[in-house]
Amino acid sequence: GDSVTQKEGLVTLTEGLPVMLNCTYQTIYSNAFLFWYVHYLNESPRLLLKSSTDNKRTEHQGFHATLHKSSSSFHLQKSSAQLSDSALYYCALSDLYGSSGNKLIFGIGTLLSVKP
Amino acid sequence: EAGVTQSPRYAVLQEGQAVSFWCDPISGHDTLYWYQQPRDQGPQLLVYFRDEAVIDNSQLPSDRFSAVRPKGTNSTLKIQSAKQGDTATYLCASSPSGQFSNERLFFGHGTKLSVL
Repeated sequence: GDSVTQKEGLVTLTEGLPVMLNCTYQTIYSNAFLFWYVHYLNESPRLLLKSSTDNKRTEHQGFHATLHKSSSSFHLQKSSAQLSDSALYYCALSDLYGSSGNKLIFGIGTLLSVKP
Repeated sequence: EAGVTQSPRYAVLQEGQAVSFWCDPISGHDTLYWYQQPRDQGPQLLVYFRDEAVIDNSQLPSDRFSAVRPKGTNSTLKIQSAKQGDTATYLCASSPSGQFSNERLFFGHGTKLSVL
């Protein structure tokens, strides 16, 4: 079945350094939709980025990600971390016409902790 | 615009007790999801509805869990006889209709359940 792997459970950075959170996925279907959701403390999880287009960079709120179907990856990046970026980040997959249908498969999440 | 509302925010039970979680989605959203999120894991779909109809409940432990959405608006998730393994955060999410409705999931704050 479909799956999403986020290898790092915790990423700790100093403010101003670049951010890269890894996400790889597995699906046998070519119509993969990839998402990044962000969950700030005491708030609800919300959509940060999404993409279904191979090799196209998508950006929002200073973060960016590029879906690479050849390597089944959708890494989240930011050029300079801010204290306010500290949150839990989930990568998620949907293959609309495949086994997961109209539902999201989430990774375990990566906690990003940005220190001054 | 009001967000997705869930209650209660917290619940603490002994094994064998019953509990119900309530969700009020965003007005006009026809699709409603219940996710279970054990500690240190990503959200895992339990069941989802389109209007009042169950679309997928394949991951819902049917012997103890039930979910209803009788009028296609609010929803209730019930655990009949809780077990320690049910300890998790239960997230409700809603989305508007559309081919890719899961792109726009709006989450509630969740109900944090502890089963002692």
